[in-house]
Amino acid sequence: DAKTTQPPSMDCAEGRAANLPCNHSTISGNEYVYWYRQIHSQGPQYIIHGLKNNETNEMASLIITEDRKSSTLILPHATLRDTAVYYCIAHTQGGSEKLVFGKGTKLTVNP
Amino acid sequence: ETGVTQSPTHLIKTRGQQVTLRCSSQSGHNTVSWYQQALGQGPQFIFQYYREEENGRGNFPPRFSGLQFPNYSSELNVNALELDDSALYLCASSLPRSPSGKDTQYFGPGTRLTVL
Repeated sequence: DAKTTQPPSMDCAEGRAANLPCNHSTISGNEYVYWYRQIHSQGPQYIIHGLKNNETNEMASLIITEDRKSSTLILPHATLRDTAVYYCIAHTQGGSEKLVFGKGTKLTVNP
Repeated sequence: ETGVTQSPTHLIKTRGQQVTLRCSSQSGHNTVSWYQQALGQGPQFIFQYYREEENGRGNFPPRFSGLQFPNYSSELNVNALELDDSALYLCASSLPRSPSGKDTQYFGPGTRLTVL
């Protein structure tokens, strides 16, 4: 699985959009971009994933650049409960099920 | 639809002891993966079980072993515990190779193991 690079920390004001970047310049054609988040001492929570098209669900939007070398997770209206570590993972579906986690981005939403 | 559950939530053991952690997969999922998460780090893959067989293993010694049962629940066993085994142990279930191709892993709440 391709390695991803994320900033170690970010801050966001409550009610504003949080935009979390991820670089995955070595991603291969069959690797999806997955996002998980982990609130303190809980299990990681699946957020969203995509291959090359932008994706949106009830939690977030995922914007993937045309060359697929980077992506951005968007939380449209951040709340205090969105404070967590966010992990971006490049993962091949249908192959090894191993998810390779980096250190993620610690997002702090401030009141 | 029930989510992934793990037991116990917390556990304290002493060095050299053995421990068994349990995981019940999400309804309909036939694959369970186990991860170890040390403090301040991302989860690290231990191994995966698919249809009761080990299907991939990370860089962990043989004293980490597992089982999967016909109902797809799973156990993680760790022998000869060391201080560095203190961590949050996570299991995740999925349904790979499904016709839809969706094999997203869903995680349980984890078991916090402390080795003294």
